Amino acid sequence: KQEVTQIPAALSVPEGENLVLNCSFTDSAIYNLQWFRQDPGKGLTSLLLIQSSQREQTSGRLNASLDKSSGRSTLYIAASQPGDSATYLCAVTDTDKLIFGTGTRLQVFP
Amino acid sequence: KAGVTQTPRYLIKTRGQQVTLSCSPISGHRSVSWYQQTPGQGLQFLFEYFSETQRNKGNFPGRFSGRQFSNSRSEMNVSTLELGDSALYLCASSLVPGDHTEAFFGQGTRLTVV
Repeated sequence: KQEVTQIPAALSVPEGENLVLNCSFTDSAIYNLQWFRQDPGKGLTSLLLIQSSQREQTSGRLNASLDKSSGRSTLYIAASQPGDSATYLCAVTDTDKLIFGTGTRLQVFP
Repeated sequence: KAGVTQTPRYLIKTRGQQVTLSCSPISGHRSVSWYQQTPGQGLQFLFEYFSETQRNKGNFPGRFSGRQFSNSRSEMNVSTLELGDSALYLCASSLVPGDHTEAFFGQGTRLTVV
């Protein structure tokens, strides 16, 4: 059974820092991995999608890497801003559904 | 291009009642999945629909059901509501099932059972 874990569970940093959020999964047989952002009480916003054949994806200040063999993905956020404050979720695609991690709650203070 | 639309945004129901939630996927997307999000269990898969057929179902009791219409809009129904059904219900749409493509989520419906 696929299990997805995210570390740390919460993170509070000053503005401007570069951040690394971690996601690990137990079964390397995945189709892809997505990183999402969720603001309080809101839906999920897709940030990055990494196909299983890819190693990384970049969008603006965000960079996500995938290492299937070790069951790990990292989301790198450069030069963090207060507007980045949210919960970040990773999810792996297991046949035909998403299996979500537990999330990292990020707070960036001015 | 309109995103995924879920209605209503908020609902308050009494134990024992039933509720119907609606999801309109992105135009052209034919796969709709439903997820339940609670503080204790996180995000859990409910079911997926494609071409009006349920393709996959998560580990939820039979009180949770759904359907999909020919225009790909989907509804989920929860009967005999329990307090534990209070949650944020999220709908995701994607082009095709199997999800080799990106999933896009709606804003969710916040259901409170009292």
